[in-house]
Amino acid sequence: GAVVSQHPSWVICKSGTSVKIECRSLDFQATTMFWYRQFPKQSLMLMATSNEGSKATYEQGVEKDKFLINHASLTLSTLTVTSAHPEDSSFYICSERSAGGAGAFGSGTRLTVV
Amino acid sequence: GIQVEQSPPDLILQEGANSTLRCNFSDSVNNLQWFHQNPWGQLINLFYIPSGTKQNGRLSATTVATERYSLLYISSSQTTDSGVYFCAVAPGYSSASKIIFGSGTRLSIRP
Repeated sequence: GAVVSQHPSWVICKSGTSVKIECRSLDFQATTMFWYRQFPKQSLMLMATSNEGSKATYEQGVEKDKFLINHASLTLSTLTVTSAHPEDSSFYICSERSAGGAGAFGSGTRLTVV
Repeated sequence: GIQVEQSPPDLILQEGANSTLRCNFSDSVNNLQWFHQNPWGQLINLFYIPSGTKQNGRLSATTVATERYSLLYISSSQTTDSGVYFCAVAPGYSSASKIIFGSGTRLSIRP
């Protein structure tokens, strides 16, 4: 099945700075990748759908100017949290899925904004 | 969009007991997966089961697609089974079909 590599695994940043999270598809050309956010003791909520070569599609309530998504190649999608604040502290995870197949998920990035 | 409900939200059992976790979904699905999320947040894929029955050791799962539910069975529970179990579904065949998660079941196995 598909394999997804995500890094960094964890990051601590100062309030007001930006953080980039990378998600790589290691064995599959992913035209679409998904980004999720998980707050403590909650489920994974879909933030946006990353589309190779075009603009990402954001779920309702997710600020597209704050969470910048770039999917410039078939194997790499990035999520940049801009001007991070403590309320952005969360667990971020990416995934991809082949047509008709199971979803593969990265190992996640734990972001702490201080 | 499709709704995914899991029950029970919390389950506390003694080691050795059996458990059944349920996932209901509001529309037909092309993909259904069960995950165990470990303490570090990583999602461990247990089953890819859009329909039918599968077994892997002490774990088994059944999806009745026509009735829009799936069950995860854990037999002879061990303390290492503790954690959160998620059901996730995608309604479409396309790779662009969003994967939606249920709210999860938090399982605690007491020694």
